[in-house]
Parts: sequence; structure tokens; C-alpha cells
Amino acid sequence: GAGVSQSPRYKVTKRGQDVALRCDPISGHVSLYWYRQALGQGPEFLTYFNYEAQQDKSGLPNDRFSAERPEGSISTLTIQRTEQRDSAMYRCASSSYDSGDGSRTDTQYFGPGTRLTVL
Amino acid sequence: LAKTTQPISMDSYEGQEVNITCSHNNIATNDYITWYQQFPSQGPRFIIQGYKTKVTNEVASLFIPADRKSSTLSLPRVSLSDTAVYYCLVGEGETGGSYIPTFGRGTSLIVHP
Repeated sequence: GAGVSQSPRYKVTKRGQDVALRCDPISGHVSLYWYRQALGQGPEFLTYFNYEAQQDKSGLPNDRFSAERPEGSISTLTIQRTEQRDSAMYRCASSSYDSGDGSRTDTQYFGPGTRLTVL
Repeated sequence: LAKTTQPISMDSYEGQEVNITCSHNNIATNDYITWYQQFPSQGPRFIIQGYKTKVTNEVASLFIPADRKSSTLSLPRVSLSDTAVYYCLVGEGETGGSYIPTFGRGTSLIVHP
């Protein structure tokens, strides 16, 4: 089956513009995560959803960043009034949460990422 | 926050066994330990996951001591294609609660001919 897909793969925008990044998770996956990754760094957690509910958004840098997953499948990460410091690789991952024995067994499957460049 | 500590980089040679240790002193009772591999320009890819003792798959082995405050990823007989960044991931949170995946800074493994 298809893996996680993200679009666009590359986005170049001017400072002050809004951008919307899309993530299409693996079909049936309950959880969806958004990360930001700077060059040479590990993925930095932004937010995540279980189904359509946003479980945690503590990683979103400020209120210019928002995310939604209205039908529990596709998700959109929106950045308003972009700034140059927003330039990074934005990655999405999905997983099939399994708590059958009370423990978390999330195995996350990552998409190819969206490279955002703010000029 | 459950933080992880890994060596920043390691060097090895083809055919050798490589062991990468991750420290996670604040691991929660219900958390699993997961390792990911990342090649340049690609997203992280799952390698192995475990809760305690030892787990082995076709790619690697994972050793977890009884106190679970650390874990060691073992790659047998590495090849040049194993050159990548390896991340140790420990979930933070409680069952049914908020889960914030925390990646370590990663270990950059370079395999030499």
C-alpha cells in the first residue's frame, strides 16, 4: 500500500505569506504527527492527532502555526505570516496506536517531507 | 521531559559490529524504546523497538537492561550503506494521555571501507 505522502515537496514563499502543508497518512492510521527538522538536527515535535482530535500542540512555536485534521485522515499544517526563521523541512508521520497491553507501540512512518524556504 | 542522550558520532569499518548506546533516565513505565535510521534527504525509518531485555530482527538487535534507563542498538557486520543518523526515541506520557515523541540528537554513524 501507499506510504505517507506530503505536498508540496518544495515550497518557496515570501516573508509574510501564508502557507499550507498537506499530509496524507497511511490509510487507517489513527495517529498523525507533525515535525520540523533543521539541517543536522533531529526531528522536532510540533503537534499530533489521534483521529481528528488534536492531542497536543505544545511543540508549535507560536500562534502563527496551526494544524487540523478535520476528518481524521488528511492533515494540514498552516503557517501564517511566514518568517525566514520558519524555513525548514516539515515532516509528517503516521502510526497505528496499539495499547492492547497498556503500553505504547507506536511505530511511526514518515513522509518525504516538505522543504519550506521563506525568502 | 524524557530526554535521551546519545554519542554525536561514531566511526566504524565494513564488517564490524557497531553498538550505539542511548541513555533515557526518565523513561516512563509504559514507554517503549524505538530506534530510527535516517539517510540524507529522507525521513526517519523504523529499525527496531523494545520494552525490556533483548529484541532481535533481521536488521539489528536491541539490548535493554532491567532498569530500562539505557538501551543499546547493535548493528552486526555493518556495510557502507549503514552510514546514516540513528535516533533513539522514547515516548513520553501516560497510557491514554498525551504522547510527545522526543527524538535524541541522533548518532551519525560513518562506515569506512
